[in-house]
Amino acid sequence: QQQVKQSPQSLIVQKGGISIINCAYENTAFDYFPWYQQFPGKGPALLIAIRPDVSEKKEGRFTISFNKSAKQFSLHIMDSQPGDSATYFCAASINSKLTFGKGITLSVRP
Amino acid sequence: DTAVSQTPKYLVTQMGNDKSIKCEQNLGHDTMYWYKQDSKKFLKIMFSYNNKELIINETVPNRFSPKSPDKAHLNLHINSLELGDSAVYFCASSQDRGYYGYTFGSGTRLTVV
Repeated sequence: QQQVKQSPQSLIVQKGGISIINCAYENTAFDYFPWYQQFPGKGPALLIAIRPDVSEKKEGRFTISFNKSAKQFSLHIMDSQPGDSATYFCAASINSKLTFGKGITLSVRP
Repeated sequence: DTAVSQTPKYLVTQMGNDKSIKCEQNLGHDTMYWYKQDSKKFLKIMFSYNNKELIINETVPNRFSPKSPDKAHLNLHINSLELGDSAVYFCASSQDRGYYGYTFGSGTRLTVV
């Protein structure tokens, strides 16, 4: 049973465009929702995170939108750059256990 | 300066062998984790230790045994390696049980032949 589901599976965006990655979760007890970015040969790195009492959080070009009633959250990357090309994971946490989505590969074309 | 360091970075070994992966963090975090990333990049938690106490033990074959000698170190020992154990293993650490994010190491790519 996959508790955290990401979509789409892959994404290609032109430089300067907006990248949108969606995530849906099942367990309403999750209380922390981070996004991680992973480059080839590296470990995942925390990008931005949100708690369920907040509907939106913005850090630079990255924004999380959170919809508690729909059990969904999404990552928006504004002004996407080729350097943003990586694998992105949404995740959800409860009791110290972080459960990851399957990840999506984002390619930003110059 | 490396926050979470794992050794070795690459490990190639034959089926049936026993191997260990070491992890150390210098962030002063109180919780450490092992994650397995398969060939499709899916990340799955295996174990977690908080101040040397095992707090998460997922459904992992008992050939895998974690050991935490102190809160800055978490090692993973694998007995009788199988082909299906081939994956990238990530160590991670966090403070306050992860509510300020995990810091991951750069991974150990294990290949069983």
